Amino acid sequence: ETGVTQTPRHLVMGMTNKKSLKCEQHLGHNAMYWYKQSAKKPLELMFVYNFKEQTENNSVPSRFSPECPNSSHLFLHLHTLQPEDSALYLCASSQNRAFAGNTIYFGEGSWLTVV
Amino acid sequence: EDKVVQSPLSLVVHEGDTVTLNCSYEVTNFRSLLWYKQEKKAPTFLFMLTSSGIEKKSGRLSSILDKKELFSILNITATQTGDSAIYLCAVEGGAQKLVFGQGTRLTINP
Repeated sequence: ETGVTQTPRHLVMGMTNKKSLKCEQHLGHNAMYWYKQSAKKPLELMFVYNFKEQTENNSVPSRFSPECPNSSHLFLHLHTLQPEDSALYLCASSQNRAFAGNTIYFGEGSWLTVV
Repeated sequence: EDKVVQSPLSLVVHEGDTVTLNCSYEVTNFRSLLWYKQEKKAPTFLFMLTSSGIEKKSGRLSSILDKKELFSILNITATQTGDSAIYLCAVEGGAQKLVFGQGTRLTINP
């Protein structure tokens, strides 16, 4: 239990579906992140939120839409995805945006399969 | 562009062996290097290194950073089957961005 909870753990969706991934952190952190982990590729940073404000979008396609209603919750809304979007989506949080001296904590991930 | 390269990508050893995992990096304005262990779930934090030559140790795991040669190693002694996992190295550079390597998949056979 890392204090970062993701739901659902597994999701299978068609290319025309709309679904959302949810992340909640119970650590009192101010920064939250979405990462994508594909087979045989490094973890890719997608989005960063600091104090509920989006501070980074790493050229992510618009079919991925993040939402951060408060510092404890982060969503990733998915629509018209492609099969190559199938991956493990990891949510993470840290005390503040700067890492040095801060550890980043990961959720257990949401396994997404697009069919 | 910041880059982190881990080697080997995959390693299979027998229980009781000692292994050394490598992580080399190229980042602007290095701030820290982190090691994570990922089993079939969330990556869990192992070490954070910011200074050269100071070994960090936790049980059978240890790690050291060389900021001159731009690499770090993670050592695991007397390996156990529970050490089987993907080991991730990540580096924070000047953009406050954490860049990950591809990971080393370590398999410990009984």
